Amino acid sequence: GAGVSQTPSNKVTEKGKYVELRCDPISGHTALYWYRQSLGQGPEFLIYFQGTGAADDSGLPNDRFFAVRPEGSVSTLKIQRTERGDSAVYLCASSLKGSYTFGSGTRLTVV
Amino acid sequence: QKEVEQDPGPLSVPEGAIVSLNCTYSNSAFQYFMWYRQYSRKGPELLMYTYSSGNKEDGRFTAQVDKSSKYISLFIRDSQPSDSATYLCAMSDTNAGKSTFGDGTTLTVKP
Repeated sequence: GAGVSQTPSNKVTEKGKYVELRCDPISGHTALYWYRQSLGQGPEFLIYFQGTGAADDSGLPNDRFFAVRPEGSVSTLKIQRTERGDSAVYLCASSLKGSYTFGSGTRLTVV
Repeated sequence: QKEVEQDPGPLSVPEGAIVSLNCTYSNSAFQYFMWYRQYSRKGPELLMYTYSSGNKEDGRFTAQVDKSSKYISLFIRDSQPSDSATYLCAMSDTNAGKSTFGDGTTLTVKP
């Protein structure tokens, strides 16, 4: 596609539930990044994929967060046992040769 | 203290004004410096990407990096109402995609 697509655009879930957030990168972009942005703050790095493997997951806050990219294209961020503090906009970006493109994000609200 | 500091504003200027946006940082290992523009409910859009110190110009935008002072700037000439957005600085040491962001400066350009 023309840009990075993230679905759903909005997700409301109850505390303790499991959620999956999807990212469709630009075709051909080998690198993919997940960030989390809380209200009034800049994006915070979560995890980076180069191809299918997680090259750097140092930003994942705890073991409730996990991400996969099984075929080197679409990625899914998975959050178990959601907490109210997980409420934020989850952003995905893909890149190729110094060009970085973000999606519009998934706004996650945990109630 | 945060690794990247950015004045949150808000900053309001008349159309046609020159805008100066700034960030300071503490990590001397940073060598990739980016400026992003973010409209409400959208993902960040990469405006400028600079490696190491120096100036870079692209149309109405000029980015400056002073590594000795750990200080970066973005100048916008002939500002337009469509420039109204939040501007985020971002920087990285080894991988420009894995960036540390400032919290953004909100800019309003009044017609």
